[in-house]
Amino acid sequence: ETGVTQSPTHLIKTRGQQVTLRCSSQSGHNTVSWYQQALGQGPQFIFQYYREEENGRGNFPPRFSGLQFPNYSSELNVNALELDDSALYLCASSTRQGATYNEQFFGPGTRLTVL
Amino acid sequence: AQSVTQLGSHVSVSEGALVLLRCNYSSSVPPYLFWYVQYPNQGLQLLLKYTTGATLVKGINGFEAEFKKSETSFHLTKPSAHMSDAAEYFCAVSDQGFQKLVFGTGTRLLVSP
Repeated sequence: ETGVTQSPTHLIKTRGQQVTLRCSSQSGHNTVSWYQQALGQGPQFIFQYYREEENGRGNFPPRFSGLQFPNYSSELNVNALELDDSALYLCASSTRQGATYNEQFFGPGTRLTVL
Repeated sequence: AQSVTQLGSHVSVSEGALVLLRCNYSSSVPPYLFWYVQYPNQGLQLLLKYTTGATLVKGINGFEAEFKKSETSFHLTKPSAHMSDAAEYFCAVSDQGFQKLVFGTGTRLLVSP
């Protein structure tokens, strides 16, 4: 069974650019969540996707957007990058059955540096 | 709004000593509580969770935590530290199971021989 994978591992961008991060869910999982982990901080919830639709969002501006594809893989897009966007971005996949959300399995993350 | 406070950004113990990592939470509804571990260059791994029922929760790798509603605490313990326990530990709270987890700032556990 393949776990959650993320690409790329590391990325360097300059302020104002746009970036796309990718996540492949664990087999059988239909829900993907994205978290931002700044240096020395705990992860912060960005948003969650379930069956290709956004299903909850944290306190992040609209320039953070996402997609979930029919195979349940996902993308996180960030426009107009700011220096404070430098962080480790974690993807987590899980299963949702009705109103029950099951354990999230995290990928190793993508380290984004904005210069 | 929910929140988590982890007391101590770093905790140092000797191998074989008791591990105690502190977590206090704030929630307006009965919380779901979690402890995760993060090793360098890896994602988070669930150690244990509290949903309902028994307040003493046992997890993987010999860790356990006790939910104390009166103290709004969910401290993580392990009777005897091992070198392999050195990592970053995060406490998290949610009001909807495994959705929208709110994490603390983490505690780095250092284990010396």
